[in-house]
Amino acid sequence: GQNIDQPTEMTATEGAIVQINCTYQTSGFNGLFWYQQHAGEAPTFLSYNVLDGLEEKGRFSSFLSRSKGYSYLLLKELQMKDSASYLCAVSMFSGGYNKLIFGAGTRLAVHP
Amino acid sequence: NAGVTQTPKFRVLKTGQSMTLLCAQDMNHEYMYWYRQDPGMGLRLIHYSVGEGTTAKGEVPDGYNVSRLKKQNFLLGLESAAPSQTSVYFCASSPLPPGGAGTDTQYFGPGTRLTVL
Repeated sequence: GQNIDQPTEMTATEGAIVQINCTYQTSGFNGLFWYQQHAGEAPTFLSYNVLDGLEEKGRFSSFLSRSKGYSYLLLKELQMKDSASYLCAVSMFSGGYNKLIFGAGTRLAVHP
Repeated sequence: NAGVTQTPKFRVLKTGQSMTLLCAQDMNHEYMYWYRQDPGMGLRLIHYSVGEGTTAKGEVPDGYNVSRLKKQNFLLGLESAAPSQTSVYFCASSPLPPGGAGTDTQYFGPGTRLTVL
């Protein structure tokens, strides 16, 4: 089976740094995605890791350790607009195709 | 370029009624997906399609049927709606399968909010 865990809620201060962790147990691992979802809206792509290490994209970075089944999303210089849910999604190869399995999401509240 | 669009945006059904949700994409993507999102449970894959004329079951396919007669459209049907199918439904598309080298993200539609009474 597959299991993806991430914290339910986090709070942080504007201008600070926050790290959102994601641990997973899946077979046929084929990459890990992070999505941002504002309330009432569709998820939008943030980052993708398929190899171990850190991927940096402006204020957002994502890290992957395949041996530990662990990833994190790092958000720097937090802004109020970063208040949203952050979804960790693992790609697994099953039934001949790659499919995404999503975690329940982490709701981040950024306050002044 | 409209991206991924979904029709309708909102719907209220009575138990036992049927309906079809329409997803359309204008990006010429091969892969299309239907998810449902419930509080505390994240997105769960209902059905997906790897090309025109193909469909396959995801994690939670029971109570739903799909069709992909045209490349740009992916229809999700509820034959006899139940209160457990109250959810937000998202359609997504991608040019490549998710994962592996050279992958691409999935592009999501705005969602359909369905309530079954």
